[in-house]
Amino acid sequence: EVQLVESGGGLVRPGGSLRLSCEASEFTLSVFWMSWVRQAPGRGLEWVAKIKQGGSERYYVDSVKGRFTISRDNAKNSVFLQMNSLRAEDTAVYYCARVSGGWTFDYWGQGEQVTVSS
Amino acid sequence: QSALTQPPSASGSPGQSVTISCTGTSSDVGGYNYVSWYQQHPGKAPKLIISEVTKRPSGVPDRFSGSKSGNTASLTVSGLQAEDEADYYCSSYAGSSHWVFGRGTQLTVL
Repeated sequence: EVQLVESGGGLVRPGGSLRLSCEASEFTLSVFWMSWVRQAPGRGLEWVAKIKQGGSERYYVDSVKGRFTISRDNAKNSVFLQMNSLRAEDTAVYYCARVSGGWTFDYWGQGEQVTVSS
Repeated sequence: QSALTQPPSASGSPGQSVTISCTGTSSDVGGYNYVSWYQQHPGKAPKLIISEVTKRPSGVPDRFSGSKSGNTASLTVSGLQAEDEADYYCSSYAGSSHWVFGRGTQLTVL
């Protein structure tokens, strides 16, 4: 069974940084694009970032461009999200998701809470 | 990109059918056949139930079906069961390697 396990979340002050990790198992990570999707409290889902199999292409939602960086280490079966200059509006549960066929998110992790507050 | 428009709530009795709409624009829903639907139970991760407008992943009951007309996609749940009570989200590819989601619909089984 495909598994994605996120870690690295927590409470951080505005302007601070966090690095989320997503460890993948039971599939070959290097074959798939990977994404991060977030869900703010009581709100819907928002796509955040996407990275190509080898890491050569990365895409971001406008609200995080220049602040967040998605990366991956296929040898360690892991995907990362470096989040800098965090704002209160970045508070959300962050999900790691596998991109299937280039068009859909077919497996999701259990989510990691990120809270930005003073 | 703006979020796709979904009704905030929907409901139906066991055994009935319910349809949830998802309205976008010609730049997302209307422009690509890459609409997906996700089911999310409270405190759980989203689960893919429909991809590419009409495709059901292995293991998803055939009570779930998807369709699209113009800029509006729809999810139909037939033969409602208690375990179908959940939040449902649509998403669409929006070009330039971006995606957009709907705000979600809370489905209640009466």
